Amino acid sequence: GQNIDQPTEMTATEGAIVQINCTYQTSGFNGLFWYQQHAGEAPTFLSYNVLDGLEEKGRFSSFLSRSKGYSYLLLKELQMKDSASYLCAVGDSNYQLIWGAGTKLIIKP
Amino acid sequence: GAVVSQHPSWVICKSGTSVKIECRSLDFQATTMFWYRQFPKQSLMLMATSNEGSKATYEQGVEKDKFLINHASLTLSTLTVTSAHPEDSSFYICSARSGDIYNEQFFGPGTRLTVL
Repeated sequence: GQNIDQPTEMTATEGAIVQINCTYQTSGFNGLFWYQQHAGEAPTFLSYNVLDGLEEKGRFSSFLSRSKGYSYLLLKELQMKDSASYLCAVGDSNYQLIWGAGTKLIIKP
Repeated sequence: GAVVSQHPSWVICKSGTSVKIECRSLDFQATTMFWYRQFPKQSLMLMATSNEGSKATYEQGVEKDKFLINHASLTLSTLTVTSAHPEDSSFYICSARSGDIYNEQFFGPGTRLTVL
């Protein structure tokens, strides 16, 4: 079956760094997406990885290892507004997005 | 980035009535639109995928006769929840994509449906 695993909840301190991991098992692979979702709002796109390695975009970076079925989202210089759920999604061989359950990130002052 | 709108933002209706939700891509042509449902504290659940001019592809367990999807143009898709019941109360989100999987999905703001 197809499966996306990520931690349910994480807590970090304002100004610190946090890494949110995502492991996946899917039928085929056509890229991995990270989305941010604030409570009561729709998800917003953060990053897309299709090749191995690190993609950096400002305070956010995303890493992919296809051989390990593993990705992480790295958030630096955490701000209170970063408190949200972070969703990992993988495009499978049918070009469908398989979604993880999301990681709720709580930022403390 | 591209903008996707949804209307209405929220709706309250009586059990047994039908509700139509519109999803529009405002500044790009969406070859594919997706409809998701999200229950509180749960992840997105894909309901159906629709391509302009063709019938929607529904996910397993989603009743096509209950959730009617029409993708009449490259900028508009509608989801109609027919004979809504309290268990249909949820957050319904559409997303739109131009081109293939390598293009990101742009999400609408969502529609919160409450069925009394």
